[in-house]
Amino acid sequence: EVQLLESGGGLVQPGGSLRLSCKASAFSFSTYSMSWVRQAPGKGLEWVSSLTGSGGTTYYADSVRGRFTISRDNSNNTLFLQMNSLRAEDTAMYYCAKVSGTWPDDHDSWGQGTLVTVSS
Amino acid sequence: AIQLTQSPSSLSASVGDRVTITCRASQGIDSALSWYQQKPGKAPKLLIFDASNLETGVPSRFSGSGSGTDFTLTISSLQPEDFATYHCQQFDTYITFGQGTRLEIK
Repeated sequence: EVQLLESGGGLVQPGGSLRLSCKASAFSFSTYSMSWVRQAPGKGLEWVSSLTGSGGTTYYADSVRGRFTISRDNSNNTLFLQMNSLRAEDTAMYYCAKVSGTWPDDHDSWGQGTLVTVSS
Repeated sequence: AIQLTQSPSSLSASVGDRVTITCRASQGIDSALSWYQQKPGKAPKLLIFDASNLETGVPSRFSGSGSGTDFTLTISSLQPEDFATYHCQQFDTYITFGQGTRLEIK
């Protein structure tokens, strides 16, 4: 069974940085594109960023482009999201998700999420 | 950017009811649409892919239809475990989610 385990969330001040990680297991990690999707408290889902299996191509939502960087370490089956210049509106649960096929596509497996709170 | 509008935003229904949720895209997306179920405090779960295909393990009371700009998710006979929030997602151009539909017990 596919498993995705996020970590790295926490409380950070506006303007600060945070690095999220997502450890994957039980599938051929390097074969699949991966995404980060977030959900602000009481709100809907918002796609944040994706990257291809090789890590060679990245995609970003306009709301985070230039502030967030997605990357992966295929040797350790881990996905990352480096978040800089954080704002209050970045407060959300952040999920990593496996893309089903060739990006863009749906997401067939999700982690349990890690909570990021941006507040002074 | 392609926008998705779900309706209704919330609805109340009873066990055994037939329920339909609609997702409308701001431009045509062929069949590049999926549906997810999310229960409180949990991650989303894929129900339907490519507009009308049932994900493995999802009960057959769930079905999806539509193409182009108008899509529906139907639950033929609501079960207690179906009360949750439902999200549509398009993947024709980048990725966008609808705002969600909360399904509550009447």
